[in-house]
Amino acid sequence: DAGVIQSPRHEVTEMGQEVTLRCKPISGHNSLFWYRQTMMRGLELLIYFNNNVPIDDSGMPEDRFSAKMPNASFSTLKIQPSEPRDSAVYFCASKSTAANSPLHFGNGTRLTVT
Amino acid sequence: SQKIEQNSEALNIQEGKTATLTCNYTNYSPAYLQWYRQDPGRGPVFLLLIRENEKEKRKERLKVTFDTTLKQSLFHITASQPADSATYLCALGSMNSGYSTLTFGKGTMLLVSP
Repeated sequence: DAGVIQSPRHEVTEMGQEVTLRCKPISGHNSLFWYRQTMMRGLELLIYFNNNVPIDDSGMPEDRFSAKMPNASFSTLKIQPSEPRDSAVYFCASKSTAANSPLHFGNGTRLTVT
Repeated sequence: SQKIEQNSEALNIQEGKTATLTCNYTNYSPAYLQWYRQDPGRGPVFLLLIRENEKEKRKERLKVTFDTTLKQSLFHITASQPADSATYLCALGSMNSGYSTLTFGKGTMLLVSP
């Protein structure tokens, strides 16, 4: 099992540019989560999907952020336009549907917006 | 408002000693609690789960306790080793409309010196 795969590992972009982060969850996992991690705020849940359907996007900070899951093996998180305060590490995680099953995280995308 | 508190100061201990990390929470009624380990540049990795009706769980050198009256979980690593050095995150699990989500504390860094 390859685990959760995220790309790119690092992204440096200028303010105003569009950024797209990608995630491939573990095969067979029905739930997918996007988190953002900063020193100040720790790990914050942005949005999660169940069976490819967005369930709760209340953690998405602004309309500049959007996420999609077109099929069970792929999800994207897009920021358009990006701002310096979006700089953070973005993690994707997946889990099975069992209620208290653990999250399996990717190794994150470190985003720097200059 | 809901709060999860972990000691923000790093815990420094000597090899062979027992490390004890604390997770306190307020305004939560978690159904379960999980502990994760995070190494620099990597995503969190699941370690242990404890449910609300359980007092204690063990796995090899790890032990977790859960006191829903005190609203506190303690995480112990016995016979600590330098390889245990990492950041440890607690996460509270709750059920909303049949879906489970995890809210994370900011983590405590553990440094085990030889």
